[in-house]
Amino acid sequence: AQSVTQLDSQVPVFEEAPVELRCNYSSSVSVYLFWYVQYPNQGLQLLLKYLSGSTLVKGINGFEAEFNKSQTSFHLRKPSVHISDTAEYFCAVSDLLSGGYNKLIFGAGTRLAVHP
Amino acid sequence: DAGVTQSPTHLIKTRGQQVTLRCSPKSGHDTVSWYQQALGQGPQFIFQYYEEEERQRGNFPDRFSGHQFPNYSSELNVNALLLGDSALYLCASSIHRARSGNTIYFGEGSWLTVV
Repeated sequence: AQSVTQLDSQVPVFEEAPVELRCNYSSSVSVYLFWYVQYPNQGLQLLLKYLSGSTLVKGINGFEAEFNKSQTSFHLRKPSVHISDTAEYFCAVSDLLSGGYNKLIFGAGTRLAVHP
Repeated sequence: DAGVTQSPTHLIKTRGQQVTLRCSPKSGHDTVSWYQQALGQGPQFIFQYYEEEERQRGNFPDRFSGHQFPNYSSELNVNALLLGDSALYLCASSIHRARSGNTIYFGEGSWLTVV
């Protein structure tokens, strides 16, 4: 079984500062990794995904994430945040075996609060 | 191209009642999954439908049931509602075993409040 741990429930940051949202996962099989963003009162929007290949993945809105297999981590980063980045961010995994191809396991989320 | 659409967006039900939520997947997608997101938590997988059959199920009681229609749209039914069923219910669509990678698209969700 897989599990996802988002190490910070809340991350306050000032506008134009860099930010890192941390995610660790546990799985006995190969996984796909995802970051989703949820703005207030909205559904989930895909930021980026890691399927294979380069461990540095670039997504929308200037976000990027790095897959580290040895540390089972997939941390999300942005070099300079904007007020509009204030939202809830979810890390998720999907395994490739046992028919779990389309099932996502989510972390509890990290609330990013960008202050002026 | 319409994305994933869900209805209704908000609803209030009384304990013990039954509710039906509806979802139309993104064009070209054949697989629908449902997730429950309680306040302040991450989404939890309820079940997944493909070819009109339930293919996978998460840790949810039998009060939660679903259906997929030939046009790939889906319904989530919850019987004997409990206060703890209050949550945002998200529908997700995807292509079963897509060669191009596993991109799952979510709808805006249906907010269910049980009183």
